[in-house]
Amino acid sequence: EAGVTQFPSHSVIEKGQTVTLRCDPISGHDNLYWYRRVMGKEIKFLLHFVKESKQDESGMPNNRFLAERTGGTYSTLKVQPAELEDSGVYFCASSQTTGAEAFFGQGTRLTVV
Amino acid sequence: GDSVTQMEGPVTLSEEAFLTINCTYTATGYPSLFWYVQYPGEGLQLLLKATKADDKGSNKGFEATYRKETTSFHLEKGSVQVSDSAVYFCALTPVTNAGKSTFGDGTTLTVKP
Repeated sequence: EAGVTQFPSHSVIEKGQTVTLRCDPISGHDNLYWYRRVMGKEIKFLLHFVKESKQDESGMPNNRFLAERTGGTYSTLKVQPAELEDSGVYFCASSQTTGAEAFFGQGTRLTVV
Repeated sequence: GDSVTQMEGPVTLSEEAFLTINCTYTATGYPSLFWYVQYPGEGLQLLLKATKADDKGSNKGFEATYRKETTSFHLEKGSVQVSDSAVYFCALTPVTNAGKSTFGDGTTLTVKP
């Protein structure tokens, strides 16, 4: 069974540009989570989808970040326009239910220059 | 809110040395506690977990015991190997949403032959 897959693995963009990160959860997992680790600090929760609905987006830093999960399958996280402080590693995780263990992807390393 | 405080790194050890990485937490109720590991170039992997007080999680020679009286979940290994070099994250999740984790800053371990 395939695990959580994230694309791209690395992205380098200039300040002011737009970047879209993608996460493919484990098949059948209704719950999808986005996290990020900035500047080598702690991994912080961004938001939680249950199927296509945003269950909790309390961790989204500002309105430059837009997450979608159309159809309740894969999810995208768009940063527009990107700022230098957005550099970091963005992780996605999925779980079958909210009480079940979440499985993480390998992360996308975003560098804004 | 919930928080996790993790021993600062980086930590450098010689092969076969004893490892301890301290982790303490603040949370309401009775969270589940986890250690995740990120090997170079890979995603986050669950290393071990404990879901209630006095539980001991163990995997690959690593152990951690859920200590409610000291709100701690220290990671230990009796004899580290070069292949254990990685970043280790302590985390907690509330009972109500196992996917919404709170992480520590991570501790980078380097084991030298």
